[in-house]
Amino acid sequence: EPEVTQTPSHQVTQMGQEVILRCVPISNHLYFYWYRQILGQKVEFLVSFYNNEISEKSEIFDDQFSVERPDGSNFTLKIRSTKLEDSAMYFCASSVRGRSDTQYFGPGTRLTVL
Amino acid sequence: SQQGEEDPQALSIQEGENATMNCSYKTSINNLQWYRQNSGRGLVHLILIRSNEREKHSGRLRVTLDTSKKSSSLLITASRAADTASYFCATDASRGSNYKLTFGKGTLLTVNP
Repeated sequence: EPEVTQTPSHQVTQMGQEVILRCVPISNHLYFYWYRQILGQKVEFLVSFYNNEISEKSEIFDDQFSVERPDGSNFTLKIRSTKLEDSAMYFCASSVRGRSDTQYFGPGTRLTVL
Repeated sequence: SQQGEEDPQALSIQEGENATMNCSYKTSINNLQWYRQNSGRGLVHLILIRSNEREKHSGRLRVTLDTSKKSSSLLITASRAADTASYFCATDASRGSNYKLTFGKGTLLTVNP
């Protein structure tokens, strides 16, 4: 069964450094998402992406964040200058359609900012 | 309460018993989804129920939706130790956002062998 994959599974970085989290969505899916989950808290929406542009973003997704689909398979989340509070599990998800469709999540990347 | 609030926060049962988890939400929705998360792992999609549906089954899972009360329940029958996980409901609002899911804090289910 096709699944969303994410790399790396765990990323440790120093505060102020740039990180890129990578995702490979399910191949026939057209909508892509990033969510994050700070330890012990809710899963929070960051951004959705369709047709090579951001379709929606939350207030968390400020200028320090960016997303890109550099080729036909990868979907990346970049954090330009990491802060301690960026430490969280980051989940990529994808769906065939946007509204009202099932979103399939990857296993997550645990980001630790020191 | 916030959109997608589950209760109880934690539930401990014996293997073979049924587990019921509830979710309440505030705004009108298109659908409600239930996910499972094993400790420190990814979110596994369990079931999606649309706003015009009242009940849905998938294997040992039964989900109900009451849009008049803005609530849903997830029933796991004949539970197994492997069902031990956190369970989250997630809603997508029928107005405003087209894409984002809003998650609750989840119910931590422990099934004791």
